[in-house]
Amino acid sequence: NAGVTQTPKFQVLKTGQSMTLQCAQDMNHEYMSWYRQDPGMGLRLIHYSVGAGITDQGEVPNGYNVSRSTTEDFPLRLLSAAPSQTSVYFCASSSSGTGRGTEAFFGQGTRLTVV
Amino acid sequence: SQKIEQNSEALNIQEGKTATLTCNYTNYSPAYLQWYRQDPGRGPVFLLLIRENEKEKRKERLKVTFDTTLKQSLFHITASQPADSATYLCALGSFNFNKFYFGSGTKLNVKP
Repeated sequence: NAGVTQTPKFQVLKTGQSMTLQCAQDMNHEYMSWYRQDPGMGLRLIHYSVGAGITDQGEVPNGYNVSRSTTEDFPLRLLSAAPSQTSVYFCASSSSGTGRGTEAFFGQGTRLTVV
Repeated sequence: SQKIEQNSEALNIQEGKTATLTCNYTNYSPAYLQWYRQDPGRGPVFLLLIRENEKEKRKERLKVTFDTTLKQSLFHITASQPADSATYLCALGSFNFNKFYFGSGTKLNVKP
């Protein structure tokens, strides 16, 4: 099984550009989420989804957009990139919501630099 | 808002010793706590889950304790090996909400 696949692995954007970070999972998981990881700040939740067609905001949603049209895919869109969005982004999935305590499976991450 | 604290300083220990990592939290009453391992350039990998009504959980050389009075979890690796060197993250969750909060992690270095 591939698990959780994120593309691209690295990306450099100019300020103001938009882009989509892709995330796909092949485990038929209901719950998917996006985090950003910055030095000394841990993983912070951006957006999450409890199933196809259902999304909600996390701790740091501003500047990001998500949609969930299928169970497998959960893309993250940066609307107008800013240097403050330079970070490592992780997508994660689990068989049920975090409310059940099930383990999260993470992708390899996307390292994004905004110049 | 909730705050999760893990020691930001790296923990350096000798091979064969027991490593003990700490996760403290405030302004939150989690129903469970998870520990993850993260290697450089990789995503976190799940290790253990402990629920609020459990005092201790073990898995091979790993042991986790959860003290809801002290608002603290301890993560132990016994007979540590250089391959255990990584960053360890704790994460807290509630059964009522679909949000999950991570600490910033503690880097463990096990020297041969």
